[in-house]
Amino acid sequence: DSGVTQTPKHLITATGQRVTLRCSPRSGDLSVYWYQQSLDQGLQFLIQYYNGEERAKGNILERFSAQQFPDLHSELNLSSLELGDSALYFCASSASGTLYNEQFFGPGTRLTVL
Amino acid sequence: QKEVEQDPGPLSVPEGAIVSLNCTYSNSAFQYFMWYRQYSRKGPELLMYTYSSGNKEDGRFTAQVDKSSKYISLFIRDSQPSDSATYLCAMGNTDKLIFGTGTRLQVFP
Repeated sequence: DSGVTQTPKHLITATGQRVTLRCSPRSGDLSVYWYQQSLDQGLQFLIQYYNGEERAKGNILERFSAQQFPDLHSELNLSSLELGDSALYFCASSASGTLYNEQFFGPGTRLTVL
Repeated sequence: QKEVEQDPGPLSVPEGAIVSLNCTYSNSAFQYFMWYRQYSRKGPELLMYTYSSGNKEDGRFTAQVDKSSKYISLFIRDSQPSDSATYLCAMGNTDKLIFGTGTRLQVFP
């Protein structure tokens, strides 16, 4: 168990809908990272927050947004969902603000868009 | 062409074998190189971390980085059935992090 929690574990929704994924980092970690993992694209870095501020951006679509709250938990919002958004979404956390340090991954949220 | 290329496998080996996993990359600015292990239905976990070129050893695992060839490797000695997982290479610099698509490894008794 990495200490990172993600809810929900599974999410099934329809095209055009909006969903929110939630992540609680390990105690003491200030950075939260979001990833999308699909069979054809592999693990793609989406975005990083450090102590409430956006720190780095990867291949995040404009339909997706994230934020980190004062208690350091984070939410990833996915809107106008398309079939291709079906994937595993991972959250990771670390004590450091960099991209290349050790990150601890949560168990993931499996999103299915029908 | 992808910035990071990794053979998806699957790679199937007998217990006790030496396993070699590899990634190639195209971005010469990459300085940080990592290997993550991902068990089925779990999140990835960091195995090895290397800065710039060279070798790093940790128990049965050895990571090698050859920046001149833009090639990184992970060697697993005395492989065990518990090593059966997907292995992801990852690399980047201060503002970029790219993962390979992963190589699925199966170690059979």
